[in-house]
Amino acid sequence: EADIYQTPRYLVIGTGKKITLECSQTMGHDKMYWYQQDPGMELHLIHYSYGVNSTEKGDLSSESTVSRIRTEHFPLTLESARPSHTSQYLCASARGFSGANVLTFGAGSRLTVL
Amino acid sequence: SQKIEQNSEALNIQEGKTATLTCNYTNYSPAYLQWYRQDPGRGPVFLLLIRENEKEKRKERLKVTFDTTLKQSLFHITASQPADSATYLCALLYGNNRLAFGKGNQVVVIP
Repeated sequence: EADIYQTPRYLVIGTGKKITLECSQTMGHDKMYWYQQDPGMELHLIHYSYGVNSTEKGDLSSESTVSRIRTEHFPLTLESARPSHTSQYLCASARGFSGANVLTFGAGSRLTVL
Repeated sequence: SQKIEQNSEALNIQEGKTATLTCNYTNYSPAYLQWYRQDPGRGPVFLLLIRENEKEKRKERLKVTFDTTLKQSLFHITASQPADSATYLCALLYGNNRLAFGKGNQVVVIP
């Protein structure tokens, strides 16, 4: 059973809208991540956090922003969505002192911007 | 630049046979290498990890090898079943506790 939840699973919106993708985990993990994945392509890290009030940009430049006000919650926001933001967004978490950094993923949020 | 390469062609295999997938990497020195399974429209699920000082790891019908000299990992599914049909991702730990993923290799097990 997944202990990390993403909502919405699917979202279709128009250009220029503000959207927030929610991610919550019940495992008490310190580390949380957002990856972006296009069909048939690898996952690209866009944001990560190692604890409350700590956020960093990942390897792939993204116009999205994140916040980490509570350990269990790591939402991703796009202020003004564009068709180029159409993609699958995957949230993941890992234990703080896990050297191997095994990730637990959510089911993903598939965003389509028209 | 850093790269993780997995075969882009799907592997079609008869049920009961062993599927072998390859992960090659360049310009990484990972302390750990992990394998995940991803089903269509879902997030990846962790399967196995292997440390740089381990040559081989097994879990049920799965086996992973890790050759840091060749910069390669092999992933084996023995006695494959149709339920094993999925995309399998190789992932390396790098930098500040981050995981980089390959594109994955699709496996189709034919009954």
